[in-house]
Amino acid sequence: DTAVSQTPKYLVTQMGNDKSIKCEQNLGHDTMYWYKQDSKKFLKIMFSYNNKELIINETVPNRFSPKSPDKAHLNLHINSLELGDSAVYFCASSPRGGNEQYFGPGTRLTVT
Amino acid sequence: AQSVTQLDSQVPVFEEAPVELRCNYSSSVSVYLFWYVQYPNQGLQLLLKYLSGSTLVKGINGFEAEFNKSQTSFHLRKPSVHISDTAEYFCAVSERGGSYIPTFGRGTSLIVHP
Repeated sequence: DTAVSQTPKYLVTQMGNDKSIKCEQNLGHDTMYWYKQDSKKFLKIMFSYNNKELIINETVPNRFSPKSPDKAHLNLHINSLELGDSAVYFCASSPRGGNEQYFGPGTRLTVT
Repeated sequence: AQSVTQLDSQVPVFEEAPVELRCNYSSSVSVYLFWYVQYPNQGLQLLLKYLSGSTLVKGINGFEAEFNKSQTSFHLRKPSVHISDTAEYFCAVSERGGSYIPTFGRGTSLIVHP
């Protein structure tokens, strides 16, 4: 079984559209994250979320919003997509008080 | 706030040669340290971690790293690399007693030539 899964793996869309990326973890972890990796491989955290607290990187535009229907899922919704949103988006999870992170396989988003 | 510097953006090496990937960090408090590996078109995978105890940490695939508090370093080493070690390597740090959200370095691309 895949520990952290994301769908879709590839997403091609036009500017101005709204899209969502889904993430699920079956590790029983309390905290989930979204990261953006640009073309130079730089990894930037976007959100950290557990049952009680959402920590937002203040540099993330408010067009991006995390939505968590339950503890095992953290979806990423993006409004009004822009060319600069093209990147690989990774979901990750970690246990309570945990240290290491478990990453999903990534979603490559291309905005045309 | 913590920060991480990976001094080399790219490290080319021949197969079966030793390699060291350098990582330095900055923090005002005690830290946890990690190395992750990212193979092409995949997510990141934990190689090894330092939480406490012995400063020499062994990880998967024959990698090891040494925590040096005085030099604020956590360099990654492997005595003999394989072609399959070609990947991007990320050093990360998180603060003890903090939010546990890690800060990642910019990555080092290890390229192993036959």
